[in-house]
Amino acid sequence: DVKVTQSSRYLVKRTGEKVFLECVQDMDHENMFWYRQDPGLGLRLIYFSYDVKMKEKGDIPEGYSVSREKKERFSLILESASTNQTSMYLCASSRTVYSNQPQHFGDGTRLSIL
Amino acid sequence: AQSVTQLGSHVSVSEGALVLLRCNYSSSVPPYLFWYVQYPNQGLQLLLKYTTGATLVKGINGFEAEFKKSETSFHLTKPSAHMSDAAEYFCAVTSNNRLAFGKGNQVVVIP
Repeated sequence: DVKVTQSSRYLVKRTGEKVFLECVQDMDHENMFWYRQDPGLGLRLIYFSYDVKMKEKGDIPEGYSVSREKKERFSLILESASTNQTSMYLCASSRTVYSNQPQHFGDGTRLSIL
Repeated sequence: AQSVTQLGSHVSVSEGALVLLRCNYSSSVPPYLFWYVQYPNQGLQLLLKYTTGATLVKGINGFEAEFKKSETSFHLTKPSAHMSDAAEYFCAVTSNNRLAFGKGNQVVVIP
């Protein structure tokens, strides 16, 4: 089974801090994704990566950046955390760029910005 | 861009009754469609997917979905609800090598 591991289940940070969320997958998948999930809004794509050092903006990239230095690891960075970034963050991976491949999700990081 | 619509954010169903969750998609190309389930405090888990071939797709936990091109629908069903089916369900369609998710259905199972 594919295993997508997010480094923290719960995280509390302060406004203005630089926040790092880490995600690791163990199946040599090419694609990795970061989403945020908010009640009533479903999942919204922040960034995705289809190869090492490659990234593309999703639907809501403002206030975020990403890093993919190794194939198995995809990091989400909140450059200067704000209270409106309090949310559930989900990482996912898929095997190839082909659209018929399902995404596999981690358990999420619930981030609170105070 | 492709998109999906799920109506009714909360769905209540009696234990043993039919579960029906509706999903309609918008796509300019033949779609790839997915249903995911999210249990409390967990990530999303793939229930089933339609890519090509048979239009009736069977998934895990007794769920199935039927792809109807003429109705642009991919509704999810389960003949008999169980208490363990209480969760949030998301329909998704591929769009530019990404997934576009619906807003989800929170399913409550009434004993």
